[in-house]
Amino acid sequence: GAVVSQHPSWVICKSGTSVKIECRSLDFQATTMFWYRQFPKQSLMLMATSNEGSKATYEQGVEKDKFLINHASLTLSTLTVTSAHPEDSSFYICSARDATPRPNQETQYFGPGTRLLVL
Amino acid sequence: GESVGLHLPTLSVQEGDNSIINCAYSNSASDYFIWYKQESGKGPQFIIDIRSNMDKRQGQRVTVLLNKTVKHLSLQIAATQPGDSAVYFCAESGSSNTGKLIFGQGTTLQVKP
Repeated sequence: GAVVSQHPSWVICKSGTSVKIECRSLDFQATTMFWYRQFPKQSLMLMATSNEGSKATYEQGVEKDKFLINHASLTLSTLTVTSAHPEDSSFYICSARDATPRPNQETQYFGPGTRLLVL
Repeated sequence: GESVGLHLPTLSVQEGDNSIINCAYSNSASDYFIWYKQESGKGPQFIIDIRSNMDKRQGQRVTVLLNKTVKHLSLQIAATQPGDSAVYFCAESGSSNTGKLIFGQGTTLQVKP
């Protein structure tokens, strides 16, 4: 099946620093990727839609200058948390939408998530 | 606004019993629904999906039922096993074909041996 990877799987950083998280589709091309944030014992909250070759679309309430998204290729999207603060500590999950899905197959695949802890 | 929610936060069942997890959605225009399983510290794992032109779909040990009249979705797991213990989310995709998913609150399924 289709595989989506994230790197790093976990990161600890100091307050004020920036952290970059990568999301890769390993065996398919993804024109669209999505970034979610999940706090403990809560659901996934969509942050933004990342489109290859164009600007990301952010959900209401998500600061685009704080969460920078780059989707430079059909297999890679990056999320940079700039000037991270303790309240940014969360589980960040990406998903990738298969540009050419096979019939009767799921079209969107999730990564394993990245745990961010800001001290 | 749009919302997808679940009725119960935690469901505890005995191993071997059947489990039923429910979900209510509010956007009547949604045409695609997915159930995901999430184990602790991992990303969501696809279980089964259903389109709005169907009211039932079966997989291996799982069945999804869709009732568009009352905007209700359920996931049935037959012969629940300890490995089924996880948080289950329903997700809804609107009719705009953007691929955006709106997730419900999640139900924790606990399987007692």
